[in-house]
Amino acid sequence: EAQVTQNPRYLITVTGKKLTVTCSQNMNHEYMSWYRQDPGLGLRQIYYSMNVEVTDKGDVPEGYKVSRKEKRNFPLILESPSPNQTSLYFCASSLEGGLGEQYFGPGTRLTVT
Amino acid sequence: GEDVEQSLFLSVREGDSSVINCTYTDSSSTYLYWYKQEPGAGLQLLTYIFSNMDMKQDQRLTVLLNKKDKHLSLRIADTQTGDSAIYFCAETQGGKLIFGQGTELSVKP
Repeated sequence: EAQVTQNPRYLITVTGKKLTVTCSQNMNHEYMSWYRQDPGLGLRQIYYSMNVEVTDKGDVPEGYKVSRKEKRNFPLILESPSPNQTSLYFCASSLEGGLGEQYFGPGTRLTVT
Repeated sequence: GEDVEQSLFLSVREGDSSVINCTYTDSSSTYLYWYKQEPGAGLQLLTYIFSNMDMKQDQRLTVLLNKKDKHLSLRIADTQTGDSAIYFCAETQGGKLIFGQGTELSVKP
């Protein structure tokens, strides 16, 4: 089944404790992206990747890191999480960045206390 | 700015038509999209329209595009309770998708 998976689905952590949210897709898509969803703000792009070893900042990259060592995986790293990073995070992938259908993962709800 | 704007809430009765509106900013956007987010789930592409089209119909869905006013709308005919969700419009800007804030559609029986 074609899908984007994220782990964990729910995470509660404390300020400053490094964490990684994994994202994996099985569709051989070149483009992958991370978004955060906050009430009243819609989805805002954090980082995106056009292909392996190619990553670019989205609209709200501060406090986040990503890597794209393999085509299928695109982990989101929070080196020192802060409460303002409490949000719902989505990973997405597509064959072409922004021009094709983006497939979204189920979301990761992160709470930073 | 690069804001895509939508009203936040819409409430309709089952069987009525729903019209969700969106204004976008980039006149060079090639495609404009409507995504649907059901409770507790990620977004799913509902439909899209190419910028050289004025209208696209797909079963109960009709998308209207007014390029002059940069206005996009999604009409859902015969709205059902299963249509209750958040609907996002999105435009392409420089190879990225820019989303609106989302319109929460509530369908009352």
